[in-house]
Amino acid sequence: DIQMTQSPSSVSASVGDRVTITCRASQGISSWLAWYQQKPGKAPKLLIYAASSLQSGVPSRFSGSGSGTDFTLTISSLQPEDLATYYCQQASSFPLTFGGGTKVEIK
Amino acid sequence: EVQLVESGGGLVQPGGSLRLSCAASGFTFSSYWMSWVRQAPGKGLEWVANIKQDGSEIYYVGSVKGRFTISRDNAKNSLFLQMNSLRAEDTAVYYCARDKQDSSWVDYWGQGTLVTVSS
Repeated sequence: DIQMTQSPSSVSASVGDRVTITCRASQGISSWLAWYQQKPGKAPKLLIYAASSLQSGVPSRFSGSGSGTDFTLTISSLQPEDLATYYCQQASSFPLTFGGGTKVEIK
Repeated sequence: EVQLVESGGGLVQPGGSLRLSCAASGFTFSSYWMSWVRQAPGKGLEWVANIKQDGSEIYYVGSVKGRFTISRDNAKNSLFLQMNSLRAEDTAVYYCARDKQDSSWVDYWGQGTLVTVSS
């Protein structure tokens, strides 16, 4: 199985800050990576797919990059509504696997 | 509007069985892969299984193979998860999910149904 490792596990930042979350795959997955946002008590929401494609309706302050084993989710200007846990997911091979999550808090 | 509504969760004893259902609407159900994803209380997401449009391809995470069965009824726009030999570690919110066209990304999620395995 492909292991997905996210860092950091939590981050606290101020409104307007740039926030970067990293996801590393245990083996190469090309661009078969997605990012999800899960707000407290809610179902997850797809933000980014194919490593860098923005899902329809998602604000442009969210962006993704990377390929192979190393990937990044960037929030260019953190907003209060971005309080959430963020997960990466590989879709290169079954079983599909998620990273452990990164909790984003607002200072 | 895409809607996925799960039902069938509840409290079950270890070793017991439960069948989850998901009613889909707002899209052509038979045109999409569908998945189940679970989340243990306070923990991260875990993909459980998915099924191709016509049911001809099915995949499971190793921890549920031989115990869980995913199925679908395209005539009734419904997805199912039959869960047998349940264990305490299967306790989680189970989400019904639609896979984005021709991919294994989830673009729509249900609200989830809680399964608790406890004596």
